[in-house]
Amino acid sequence: QKEVEQDPGPLSVPEGAIVSLNCTYSNSAFQYFMWYRQYSRKGPELLMYTYSSGNKEDGRFTAQVDKSSKYISLFIRDSQPSDSATYLCAMSDNAGNMLTFGGGTRLMVKP
Amino acid sequence: KAGVTQTPRYLIKTRGQQVTLSCSPISGHRSVSWYQQTPGQGLQFLFEYFSETQRNKGNFPGRFSGRQFSNSRSEMNVSTLELGDSALYLCASSFPGNPYEQYFGPGTRLTVT
Repeated sequence: QKEVEQDPGPLSVPEGAIVSLNCTYSNSAFQYFMWYRQYSRKGPELLMYTYSSGNKEDGRFTAQVDKSSKYISLFIRDSQPSDSATYLCAMSDNAGNMLTFGGGTRLMVKP
Repeated sequence: KAGVTQTPRYLIKTRGQQVTLSCSPISGHRSVSWYQQTPGQGLQFLFEYFSETQRNKGNFPGRFSGRQFSNSRSEMNVSTLELGDSALYLCASSFPGNPYEQYFGPGTRLTVT
């Protein structure tokens, strides 16, 4: 079993919908939680990072971390076709240097 | 500010050959990490360099190696290439004190035939 699990999708939603993307993990040492977006044939782009439990909001994006359940989420409000991409969660311990990634969820937002 | 750059972008090699990939981090970033991305295994950590020293290493065979130069530029080398080494190799850099805030380059797509 992988340390970080993520539903591969694809997840298809209509434009304007609220999207929920999730990851579960098994390593209690993880303290930093990141979300990356990757377009086809591009490198991952850092969207947000959070430390420990709690919520963080940045524009249309909200990240949530529930360490007691070992569960993290990314919400995208008012989704746009340009949000169509693969979303990767990543985690690290306090040292932070080595990221462990989920397998990614492919999101398609249809006009 | 320029992003992370990687060269070459595409590479085709034959089994048994060796390859060297290059990464230039964002200006001011001193930590450089390398990752391998494949459809089956996803993104996996290879190693991380800081101030010319390898600080962390992932679970890859010794055929995978790297180094970092005094200007923070980094190279990774794969010797005796195998078909399974075909992948997108990604480099990421981060600022001292923010190791979790890693910025990725576009990657080098390596195909081994």
